[in-house]
Order: sequence, then C-alpha cells, then structure tokens
Amino acid sequence: SAVISQKPSRDICQRGTSLTIQCQVDSQVTMMFWYRQQPGQSLTLIATANQGSEATYESGFVIDKFPISRPNLTFSTLTVSNMSPEDSSIYLCSVDVYQNTEAFFGQGTRLTVV
Amino acid sequence: AQTVTQSQPEMSVQEAETVTLSCTYDTSESDYYLFWYKQPPSRQMILVIRQEAYKQQNATENRFSVNFQKAAKSFSLKISDSQLGDAAMYFCAYRSSWGGSEKLVFGKGTKLTVNP
Repeated sequence: SAVISQKPSRDICQRGTSLTIQCQVDSQVTMMFWYRQQPGQSLTLIATANQGSEATYESGFVIDKFPISRPNLTFSTLTVSNMSPEDSSIYLCSVDVYQNTEAFFGQGTRLTVV
Repeated sequence: AQTVTQSQPEMSVQEAETVTLSCTYDTSESDYYLFWYKQPPSRQMILVIRQEAYKQQNATENRFSVNFQKAAKSFSLKISDSQLGDAAMYFCAYRSSWGGSEKLVFGKGTKLTVNP
C-alpha cells in the first residue's frame, strides 16, 4: 500500500487566481494520477503525471489550465490556473503501487472559488 | 471507450440487514479489473473490494462480497450485517489490464444510508 499526503485539504480562492495542490507519497510509486470530482458527481481523470516529462491529459483538460509537475517518483503537483467558480471541486491525487492492481487515493482537496 | 453505470443514486438499509448495490459496465476487453470504492464524508476513497475478470470466483472481504457476472457485464456489491460506519458514497470502477497502469473509469456512485 501507500500513504499519501495531499495538501491543502481545503481552500477558498478568489476567481482569477491559481492554486497549487501537492501530493506526497511515502514510497516510490509507478504511476500518479489527478482526478476531479465536481459537486455531487463522480471522479473524472484530469491527467497522468509522468516523472520527468510532460503529463498526459485527458480529453477536455489542457496544460495551460491544469499544469502538472512530477519531479521525482514520490511527489507531484497540480495547479488550477485562472480559477472560476466552475473549478470548485474536490481534486484527488491517486497512485499505483508496484504489484497492486488497485489505485490508492489521497484525502482530496476541496476547492471553492468565489 | 469503457463505461460504468450505477443505476441506484441512493439506497438505504437498516442496521444489521443486507443491501446490494448494482453496477453494470460496458467493454470489449476480456481482461480487466473491477473495484468498489467507498467515499465517506471525509472524502478519502477507500478500496472495499476488487475482482479480476479472469477469476470466476466472486471476491469476498469480510462482510462485503460481489456477484460478478462477466457475460452480463454485471458487478454488484453485497453488504451483509450493515453497520452505521458503512454509510458513504460507493463507486464502482473499471480498470483495463492492457498496457500496465490504466485510468480508473468510475460510475456515478450510490449514496448508502444506514438507519439505526
């Protein structure tokens, strides 16, 4: 398994600003993912964070809006840029651990944009 | 593309009784994984149970068991002896086994209420 620390746990931000969410894992993981969960909705994958290279984005998500970094095997950041109220969601970091089929999740960041 | 459908937005059960949550999925693949995740109000996604598609035997984890019907593409979760702590959102999820670590595809979720 893996212990995932995601920060901040929640934040209230002004529209037009940016927020960076951090995801730290206690062990080396094979893959890191970022999901968005809009209010009352399911989880949707934003992108796969690749170590040492550009993230792989899902349809409907772009790097300018959601820049992602992964400088090493245990850490990644997701930035939500130029925020609008529509960006109010829970953002979750998820990781794959070697020889495990399931994904492990951080506790999520609840973002409110006002 | 794969899809996952949970047709029950909300379910309720009396404490100590049994409840079944439904999930169907659509895929053209023969090998994949299916999961049930629980999300309590704390937001933490917690794995409840997993099933490998190549295994005919239904997975069980203590009070939780699944009914996996591969031909029907059905994957229901049964919770026995329900407890107050089981109250949460439950998400059914699909993961392809092709190509290594693939993304999870989630259903819309079922909100489970446990009544004392």
